[in-house]
Amino acid sequence: ETGVTQTPRHLVMGMTNKKSLKCEQHLGHNAMYWYKQSAKKPLELMFVYSLEERVENNSVPSRFSPECPNSSHLFLHLHTLQPEDSALYLCASSQDRVGTSVRYEQYFGPGTRLTVT
Amino acid sequence: GQNIDQPTEMTATEGAIVQINCTYQTSGFNGLFWYQQHAGEAPTFLSYNVLDGLEEKGRFSSFLSRSKGYSYLLLKELQMKDSASYLCAGDYSSASKIIFGSGTRLSIRP
Repeated sequence: ETGVTQTPRHLVMGMTNKKSLKCEQHLGHNAMYWYKQSAKKPLELMFVYSLEERVENNSVPSRFSPECPNSSHLFLHLHTLQPEDSALYLCASSQDRVGTSVRYEQYFGPGTRLTVT
Repeated sequence: GQNIDQPTEMTATEGAIVQINCTYQTSGFNGLFWYQQHAGEAPTFLSYNVLDGLEEKGRFSSFLSRSKGYSYLLLKELQMKDSASYLCAGDYSSASKIIFGSGTRLSIRP
């Protein structure tokens, strides 16, 4: 039990659908992250939120839209995705954001396996 | 860029020692993470090195040489449960980035 939960665990969606991924952390952390993990590719950092403010957006296409309503919850809204967006989407949290202190050991959720058809 | 390079696959024998190497770009570098990821599971934190030298945590140790842009993860007394992917990640705080390598898939044979 890592203290970071993600729902759904699996999602199949068509290219015209709109869906949302949810992440919740029960660790009292201040920073949350979205990563994309594709087969045989490195983990890609997508978004970083610190104290509910977005601090990093690594040139992610606008069809991915994050939302952080409070420090415990993080959403990734998906619309008009492409088949190449099929991947494992991992959420993580850390006590503080990378670069602000040493307390940024990241705890990962189990991920959402997304398939775009 | 901040290329993180590590071998794709390694095989070792139960009870033995294995060293997984990682090289990285030194520009803007702050520290280096190692994570373990079992198939179908989330990555779990193993270590974070900022200073040169070896840090030991039980059967796992991590080494960093900042001047050489080099790190390694050392696993001793290998157990079958150590079969997993090991991810090296560079902390480039100046750019607020964490850059992951592709991971090294370690297989342990009896």
